[in-house]
Amino acid sequence: DIQMTQSPSTLSASVGDTVTITCRASQSIGTWLAWYQQKPGKAPQLLIYMASTLHSGVSSRFSGSGSGTAFTLTISSLQPDDFATYYCQQNNSPWAFGQGTKVEFK
Amino acid sequence: EVQLLESGGGLVQPGGSLRLSCAASGFSLSSFAMNWVRQAPGKGLEWVSSIGGSGFGISYGDSVKGRTTISRDTSKNTLHLQMKGLRIDDTAVYYCARSLGIAVINPFDIWGQGTLVTVSS
Repeated sequence: DIQMTQSPSTLSASVGDTVTITCRASQSIGTWLAWYQQKPGKAPQLLIYMASTLHSGVSSRFSGSGSGTAFTLTISSLQPDDFATYYCQQNNSPWAFGQGTKVEFK
Repeated sequence: EVQLLESGGGLVQPGGSLRLSCAASGFSLSSFAMNWVRQAPGKGLEWVSSIGGSGFGISYGDSVKGRTTISRDTSKNTLHLQMKGLRIDDTAVYYCARSLGIAVINPFDIWGQGTLVTVSS
């Protein structure tokens, strides 16, 4: 099975910063990758799919890139509402998630 | 409004069974693949099972394979997850989630609020 590894596990940042989260697949998945945001006590929300396609209604401050085995999620001009945990997911059976990256206040 | 509402969670003893349900509104289950994802307390997301919009394309994660059955009742527009032989490590919030299309090879665009399953003696 394909394993997804995110880094870092925790990221400390300030409002206005630009942050980047990395996700690596144990084997090539093309661009079959999605990113989700999850806030405490809430269900995850889809941000990006097919590695770089912004889901409807999601702020353009979020962007994704990559293909094959290496992917990144970039959040520009970090806002207070962006402090959350982010997960990558490969979109093919089995639908493996990364372990998550918590973006916290510095 | 497109919405998913899970139910059926609760406290169950190890070895017991439980049937989770997910009532969909605002769309037809026949037009979208559906999924179950769980999250143990303080842990990350773990995919559990998926079913295609056609009713085919059923698959299970290794940790629940052989103990779990996903199904749907299109007349009631409801998704189910039957779980048996429950173990302590099945304790989690279980989310149902809609795929962004009829095929299972799609990301999950709509999520329910989750239902908590606690396996404990």
